[in-house]
Parts: sequence; C-alpha cells; structure tokens
Amino acid sequence: QQQVKQSPQSLIVQKGGISIINCAYENTAFDYFPWYQQFPGKGPALLIAIRPDVSEKKEGRFTISFNKSAKQFSLHIMDSQPGDSATYFCAASNLGLSQGAQKLVFGQGTRLTINP
Amino acid sequence: SQTIHQWPATLVQPVGSPLSLECTVEGTSNPNLYWYRQAAGRGLQLLFYSVGIGQISSEVPQNLSASRPQDRQFILSSKKLLLSDSGFYLCAWTPLELDNSPLHFGNGTRLTVT
Repeated sequence: QQQVKQSPQSLIVQKGGISIINCAYENTAFDYFPWYQQFPGKGPALLIAIRPDVSEKKEGRFTISFNKSAKQFSLHIMDSQPGDSATYFCAASNLGLSQGAQKLVFGQGTRLTINP
Repeated sequence: SQTIHQWPATLVQPVGSPLSLECTVEGTSNPNLYWYRQAAGRGLQLLFYSVGIGQISSEVPQNLSASRPQDRQFILSSKKLLLSDSGFYLCAWTPLELDNSPLHFGNGTRLTVT
C-alpha cells in the first residue's frame, strides 16, 4: 500500500511535443505529490508539487494533473525541449503523519529523451 | 544560502570492506537529514532519516547504519560491504519546519562493490 507505480520506464518525444508521465498510488492517506527531475550525475531536484485539494497545477510548461478518485496523477511537459531530457520521479507522502520528517515514497522513475 | 556536500562522488570497494559516506549541510540549523539509495529501475529508497543529533530512524533493515554526530553532519556506514550494497547513495535535507518544503539532495555517491 506504500507503493507508487510510475510509467512508462522510458519515453522518447520529439522536440515541441507533449511528454506525459503517469503515476498511481494506493494509500489514500497520501496528501502531497511532488515531481522531481534528475540530470545525470546529479541529485534530484523538485520540479512541481500538488496537494489533493486541487485537480491541476501549472508552472510554465509543466503541469500536474491529479485524479483523487482514481488515485492517479500525471506530469505533462508541453513544448518539450532537449534540455528537458532527464529522469523524472513522482513521489507521495503523508505530511500529516510525517512527525517532523518528509518520508517520500518514490516511483521507479522515467527516463525522458527529447529528440531535436 | 544553504548547500549540501556529499563525498566522495565515486567509490569502488571490495566485498567485506567497511564503508563511510559523509554528508554535511551548510547555511541552516537543525535540518532533517536523509539517506536515500537509488537503484536502476527501482526509484529512490529511503534508508535512514534523522530529526536531530543522535536521532536515527531506519526505514529498511539491511547491512547499513547511519549516525549524526553533529547537527549538520550525517554519516552512512557499513562494517562489511555486500555486492548488493552497490548503488547511488543520496543525502538530502529539509528544514526543521516542513511546510511542504522540498527535499534538497546532494549530488550523490556512486558506490560499486566488487
């Protein structure tokens, strides 16, 4: 019940296209859903995050869509650019039960390649 | 500004040898500290976290241990490495007061056990 399942494992998109990565969770107590972006040889960095009280959050070309009833959320990258090529991780946690620490459960990651 | 340092960047160790990875955070006090391991195709797995000096919580029982001897220092150790300990180890921190604050990761240590 603590798992977050992410798909696809890898994704190739043409420059200017839309990249879509999906995640599903089972624990209904999760109340915080971030996406992290990781470049080779670097640690992940927060890209965008959403709480379950909204169905969508947009920051520039990046949008999170959240479906609470289906227990799914997805990342959409509009007008994908070669610089977006990276590994993306979805994650989830219950901030209310964190007891002072953010115990994120991460998905398996998606390696995104944007072809020029 | 806050920065997190993690070293070494890469490490090759034989099976049965000890391990010590160090992580330090600058520019903040009383951070929450974390050790994650990243294995290919398996995402990031939380190994240990600490909310204060000497306070260590283990998430996954295994051949590793963690210690926090100082407020901004977090150490990952092993007495005898196994082949299965190979992976990419990431240290991270969050402020004491979470408030949706993101995890700030270091650049990781690539450990290969031979």
